Amino acid sequence: RKEVEQDPGPFNVPEGATVAFNCTYSNSASQSFFWYRQDCRKEPKLLMSVYSSGNEDGRFTAQLNRASQYISLLIRDSKLSDSATYLCVVPIGNAGNMLTFGGGTRLMVKP
Amino acid sequence: DGGITQSPKYLFRKEGQNVTLSCEQNLNHDAMYWYRQDPGQGLRLIYYSQIVNDFQKGDIAEGYSVSREKKESFPLTVTSAQKNPTAFYLCASSIFIAAREQYFGPGTRLTVT
Repeated sequence: RKEVEQDPGPFNVPEGATVAFNCTYSNSASQSFFWYRQDCRKEPKLLMSVYSSGNEDGRFTAQLNRASQYISLLIRDSKLSDSATYLCVVPIGNAGNMLTFGGGTRLMVKP
Repeated sequence: DGGITQSPKYLFRKEGQNVTLSCEQNLNHDAMYWYRQDPGQGLRLIYYSQIVNDFQKGDIAEGYSVSREKKESFPLTVTSAQKNPTAFYLCASSIFIAAREQYFGPGTRLTVT
């Protein structure tokens, strides 16, 4: 099993739709999690952290399910500008100090 | 403006040649990283450095070498021993090795023919 797995998509949704992505991880000891956003042919940038209690930032909500070892990202009221690849990131390795990136889920928001 | 710069943005080389990719940061970060990204794939760690004059192999270090002589700079050399060097190379830094957020440079797209 890969350390971090994501559905590559693409998820094609209309503007205004709500869309959710999941990401599963293999290391049950992982304590913190992140979602990064990567635009086409650009560098990844931190979108949000995922806390045990969940995390909401405007239209974006990140949640953690430790029992099933997955995290989710929910985007409400999708905008055209949300079109990007969303990378799930989990600290793994000695002392959990190395970030392991999932393969990303591609989102395409259509007018 | 603080940030990470990588140059060049696009690089073309003939097979059998070594090539060095530049990465500079003025964020005063201790830790720096090199990743490789292939189409449709996640980032894979090549090398990382926790502090000046120290670096460690990542998951796919074979065929690559690095140096960390200055805090600001972490150049990556892609040697002729790397079997499939064509990829998108991303440099990143973080305030320290276990920091939660990594900041990425704009990347160098290397094509070897």
